[in-house]
Amino acid sequence: DQQVKQNSPSLSVQEGRISILNCDYTNSMFDYFLWYKKYPAEGPTFLISISSIKDKNEDGRFTVFLNKSAKHLSLHIVPSQPGDSAVYFCAASAQRGAQKLVFGQGTRLTINP
Amino acid sequence: SQTIHQWPATLVQPVGSPLSLECTVEGTSNPNLYWYRQAAGRGLQLLFYSVGIGQISSEVPQNLSASRPQDRQFILSSKKLLLSDSGFYLCAWTPGGQGNEKLFFGSGTQLSVL
Repeated sequence: DQQVKQNSPSLSVQEGRISILNCDYTNSMFDYFLWYKKYPAEGPTFLISISSIKDKNEDGRFTVFLNKSAKHLSLHIVPSQPGDSAVYFCAASAQRGAQKLVFGQGTRLTINP
Repeated sequence: SQTIHQWPATLVQPVGSPLSLECTVEGTSNPNLYWYRQAAGRGLQLLFYSVGIGQISSEVPQNLSASRPQDRQFILSSKKLLLSDSGFYLCAWTPGGQGNEKLFFGSGTQLSVL
């Protein structure tokens, strides 16, 4: 049972435009969500998070939106840069503690010059 | 600053051979430690986590095992590898205690079992 789904395996965006990565979840008990970014041959690095008490969190070029009624979150990158090319994982948790995190399959983002 | 080291970066092993992957964390004490696996086209799957020396919790039944002989050392092992053990293995840590979801990952080991 895939509780966290990233339905787009890949996404290609032109440099300078907006990148939107999507993530859907099925467990209504999830209340904390994170995005990780992964370059080839490296481990994922934490990017941004959001608690269910908020519907938006912004950090520089990165903004995460949470729609609890639709059980959907998205990561917006504006403007997109070549260094943003990576695999992005969303993760969700219903309880505190990293061992409770459920990860999506990842979306490979490619930024074209 | 804290760093995490994981080795080897790549490994090719025959079916039935043993496995030992090692991970060490520097610059922190009493971290929580984790082993994840990413199979092709799949998300990150938690295999084991540890909140202290000798304390191992297994999330997925399999022919892998983990050990934590020292505070900042985490080892993933197998006595006999299966083809299905192929994948990308990641070690990670969080500060000790509850309520911390921000994982810090190592660079990973690409394991190919042939």
